[in-house]
Amino acid sequence: AQKITQTQPGMFVQEKEAVTLDCTYDTSDPSYGLFWYKQPSSGEMIFLIYQGSYDQQNATEGRYSLNFQKARKSANLVISASQLGDSAMYFCAMRVGGAGSYQLTFGKGTKLSVIP
Amino acid sequence: GAGVSQSPSNKVTEKGKDVELRCDPISGHTALYWYRQRLGQGLEFLIYFQGNSAPDKSGLPSDRFSAERTGESVSTLTIQRTQQEDSAVYLCASSLARGRYNEQFFGPGTRLTVL
Repeated sequence: AQKITQTQPGMFVQEKEAVTLDCTYDTSDPSYGLFWYKQPSSGEMIFLIYQGSYDQQNATEGRYSLNFQKARKSANLVISASQLGDSAMYFCAMRVGGAGSYQLTFGKGTKLSVIP
Repeated sequence: GAGVSQSPSNKVTEKGKDVELRCDPISGHTALYWYRQRLGQGLEFLIYFQGNSAPDKSGLPSDRFSAERTGESVSTLTIQRTQQEDSAVYLCASSLARGRYNEQFFGPGTRLTVL
């Protein structure tokens, strides 16, 4: 069975500082993808970044980067230069299997609060 | 372009009543998903539609839950004889069958409260 663990229920970060949100995963399938989503108070889930299990480089998208450590089965999200608008819930998710797979398994989330 | 839309945004109902939730996916997205998010929790997969293939209903929690989708358009999630434990936000998502990451685009959700 697949499992995503986010051990930080809540995090605080000073505006303009960097923050790391932890995510560990468990699967025996060698082919998988890892996603991070942001959920602001409005409720909509916003896709941030993706890392494939066979990707050689860590994924980056603007201020978001993914610290992918395959041997440790961790996929931590790093947000650089935090902004007040980054305050939200952040969910790590995993999709197992190759092309055609679709089901996402989500962690319980981390609530990030950015302090001015 | 328009994103995934859901209606109603909020629904309050009495225990035992049936409710119907609607999802309009992004035009051209062949895949559609329903998730449930209980307060303070992550998302639980409910059901998946892909084109005209048989849906994957493996996440539906009981036979009181059902969903329909006609072709690649609107989907409705129906909960019969609602119970208080059905109170949650119900999120719909859609995706291309073969996107860059095949990432799912989510709607704003329907917050269901069962009294």
